[in-house]
Amino acid sequence: AQSVTQLGSHVSVSEGALVLLRCNYSSSVPPYLFWYVQYPNQGLQLLLKYTSAATLVKGINGFEAEFKKSETSFHLTKPSAHMSDAAEYFCAVIANTGNQFYFGTGTSLTVIP
Amino acid sequence: GAGVSQSPSNKVTEKGKDVELRCDPISGHTALYWYRQSLGQGLEFLIYFQGNSAPDKSGLPSDRFSAERTGGSVSTLTIQRTQQEDSAVYLCASSLDGTGFSPLHFGNGTRLTVT
Repeated sequence: AQSVTQLGSHVSVSEGALVLLRCNYSSSVPPYLFWYVQYPNQGLQLLLKYTSAATLVKGINGFEAEFKKSETSFHLTKPSAHMSDAAEYFCAVIANTGNQFYFGTGTSLTVIP
Repeated sequence: GAGVSQSPSNKVTEKGKDVELRCDPISGHTALYWYRQSLGQGLEFLIYFQGNSAPDKSGLPSDRFSAERTGGSVSTLTIQRTQQEDSAVYLCASSLDGTGFSPLHFGNGTRLTVT
């Protein structure tokens, strides 16, 4: 079975500071991993995905994530936060042989001017 | 259309009434998913369609919930005898083939309020 845990339901950073959103996964088979972002009153948008190619994945809006099998982690980072990054972020996992996406409970990012 | 379309965007209903929520997936996407999003609860999986069949209905919370998909396209989620705890945002997503290699594309959701 697959699952994800997002540590920290709320994260606040100052504008220009590093963004780090944590995601740890559990999977009995090689996983595919995703980060989605949800802006207020909108649906979820794909930020980036890991599908067993390069372990460092670059996404939209300057975000990137690194797949670390030894740590079962897929943390999301951005070097410099922008006000427009304020949103809800969700990590998701699916087995590479499966069809069921499992989502974390989300992390709300606040950017302080 | 270019994206996943859901209607209505908002629905207010009285307790005990039935509601129907509609999802139009991206054209050509064979897989369709329904999720429920409640405050602080993340995304709760409800049901998954591959074509018109639903191989995974494990997330439907009770027999008041049902869903169908016709023509491998439009899907309808029906909630009978609505209860206040059904209030949530219902999200629909589609993907090209239902494998992890094809990510989910989400609609903007239907916000359901049961009074």
